[in-house]
Amino acid sequence: GENVGLHLPTLSVQEGDNSIINCAYSNSASDYFIWYKQESGKGPQFIIDIRSNMDKRQGQRVTVLLNKTVKHLSLQIAATQPGDSAVYFCAEYTNAGNMLTFGGGTRLMVKP
Amino acid sequence: ETGVTQSPTHLIKTRGQQVTLRCSSQSGHNTVSWYQQALGQGPQFIFQYYREEENGRGNFPPRFSGLQFPNYSSELNVNALELDDSALYLCASSSVNRGWGTEAFFGQGTRLTVV
Repeated sequence: GENVGLHLPTLSVQEGDNSIINCAYSNSASDYFIWYKQESGKGPQFIIDIRSNMDKRQGQRVTVLLNKTVKHLSLQIAATQPGDSAVYFCAEYTNAGNMLTFGGGTRLMVKP
Repeated sequence: ETGVTQSPTHLIKTRGQQVTLRCSSQSGHNTVSWYQQALGQGPQFIFQYYREEENGRGNFPPRFSGLQFPNYSSELNVNALELDDSALYLCASSSVNRGWGTEAFFGQGTRLTVV
């Protein structure tokens, strides 16, 4: 079936550097793409989303880029902080299916 | 805090038993979705409830069932537990009128261990 996947299972960055987490997807019919942050022992926390008719969306210290041509999604975190250490999931949402399809996650480790 | 609460937080059951997990949705949300998250993996969609009826289902067997109540809270029931059912079970609440994205919130999950 169609799914969402990630290129890198673990990403280690220095505090203050920028982080880029990548994701590939295969369902061209998805309506939303969403990035979640999950800390140990907690449920996924919404970070930012982007509709399928957009290429870029910016939030506070985060930017999501969507390249529909190559079915690629990325999350950029500016000035990464120790509190950003967590597992990050990309997910796609299809209104017709009323469901999120998650990728396998990338662990971000921020070194002080 | 998201306003979505799940109970219990941890649970240990024996293979073959039945379990009920509970979720109270965010105020103003009328839709509840359940996900299973195995260790080291992304959450997998089980089903969604809207207006007390199932409104979408993932690839899970019938022994996974649910309920939604008039106050929009929900239960997930799993019969004939198997060892592979050990996972974190997540509840997410949303409003079908507002779609997903910023309007959907996950609870902290229930960690189920089947022995």
